[in-house]
Amino acid sequence: EPEVTQTPSHQVTQMGQEVILRCVPISNHLYFYWYRQILGQKVEFLVSFYNNEISEKSEIFDDQFSVERPDGSNFTLKIRSTKLEDSAMYFCASSDRDRYFYEQYFGPGTRLTVT
Amino acid sequence: GESVGLHLPTLSVQEGDNSIINCAYSNSASDYFIWYKQESGKGPQFIIDIRSNMDKRQGQRVTVLLNKTVKHLSLQIAATQPGDSAVYFCAETGANNLFFGTGTRLTVIP
Repeated sequence: EPEVTQTPSHQVTQMGQEVILRCVPISNHLYFYWYRQILGQKVEFLVSFYNNEISEKSEIFDDQFSVERPDGSNFTLKIRSTKLEDSAMYFCASSDRDRYFYEQYFGPGTRLTVT
Repeated sequence: GESVGLHLPTLSVQEGDNSIINCAYSNSASDYFIWYKQESGKGPQFIIDIRSNMDKRQGQRVTVLLNKTVKHLSLQIAATQPGDSAVYFCAETGANNLFFGTGTRLTVIP
């Protein structure tokens, strides 16, 4: 069964450093998403991406964040200058809007720890 | 803005019993509602969804009920098994994203 994959599984970085989280969505999906989950809290939407541009973003997704689909398979989330409060699980998801009931398939997540 | 929340943060049930997980939502204009299961260390996994023009939808061992009058959503799991232990989130769909509730941790007692 096709699945969303994410790398790395755990990233440790120092405050102020740039990080890039990588995702490979399901190959025939057209919509891509990033979410984050601070430990013990709910999953929060960051951004959605379609047709090589951002379709929607939340208040969390400020100028420090950016997304890119550099090729036909990868989808990345970049945080330019990490802060302690960026420590969280980051989940990538993809969906196929051709379905009547659309589903977002989530990857296993990348745990980002900012020290 | 939209608000999706859960009545109870934890639920413990005996193996074999039925489980009911509840969720309240505030945006009456939401069109889809989805239940996700999240096991420890994993991403959310789709369980079942329901469109706003439906009251009930059944899957394998799971049933979702939607009461639009009181803006309430529930997930029923029949014959709960140890593998059902996880955090369950309801979510409502915006235009291009999901709004998640805080989650209920289901613990199945063998």
